[in-house]
Amino acid sequence: AQRVTQPEKLLSVFKGAPVELKCNYSYSGSPELFWYVQYSRQRLQLLLRHISRESIKGFTADLNKGETSFHLKKPFAQEEDSAMYYCALSSGSARQLTFGSGTQLTVLP
Amino acid sequence: DGGITQSPKYLFRKEGQNVTLSCEQNLNHDAMYWYRQDPGQGLRLIYYSQIVNDFQKGDIAEGYSVSREKKESFPLTVTSAQKNPTAFYLCASRQGSNQPQHFGDGTRLSIL
Repeated sequence: AQRVTQPEKLLSVFKGAPVELKCNYSYSGSPELFWYVQYSRQRLQLLLRHISRESIKGFTADLNKGETSFHLKKPFAQEEDSAMYYCALSSGSARQLTFGSGTQLTVLP
Repeated sequence: DGGITQSPKYLFRKEGQNVTLSCEQNLNHDAMYWYRQDPGQGLRLIYYSQIVNDFQKGDIAEGYSVSREKKESFPLTVTSAQKNPTAFYLCASRQGSNQPQHFGDGTRLSIL
């Protein structure tokens, strides 16, 4: 069965510092991975998907099949990046998502 | 996404009662999903539907039921058989197999 692990429940960094949110997965097939973000009092929204290989709000994520990881990175964190971040893996005929437990990122001034 | 509407935002239930959560989308999406979000556990899949009049159980379907009579609607009923119903419930929809899921604002269910 597929599994997504986010080892850090809480992560705090100072503004301007680099940030990396870790995500590891286990899946027997070819993975499709996403990062979703939930800002305070807002709905869950898509941040990144690995197949698009784009940078959104300065965030990037690279799929490393050898390490089965999909870590989210940003070189210079901003206070508005403070939010809950979820890594998710899509599988099955209905492309249902398996989520990690989430990482609450706080960017300190 | 304004196209996915969940109602109500807050819902209270007495023990032993069934309660139905509404999810409507005007995005013409084929697939719809229900997730449950608990603190520290992320989101877990309850039920999903790929087309009208068809749905499948997710990872935690016990104590829940759904229907998909119309493409735009996928209501979730939390039955009295669900022993721990207090949670935040999220509905999502998706257009094609290569498209990501989009989420509603959620419904917070509490037991009185």
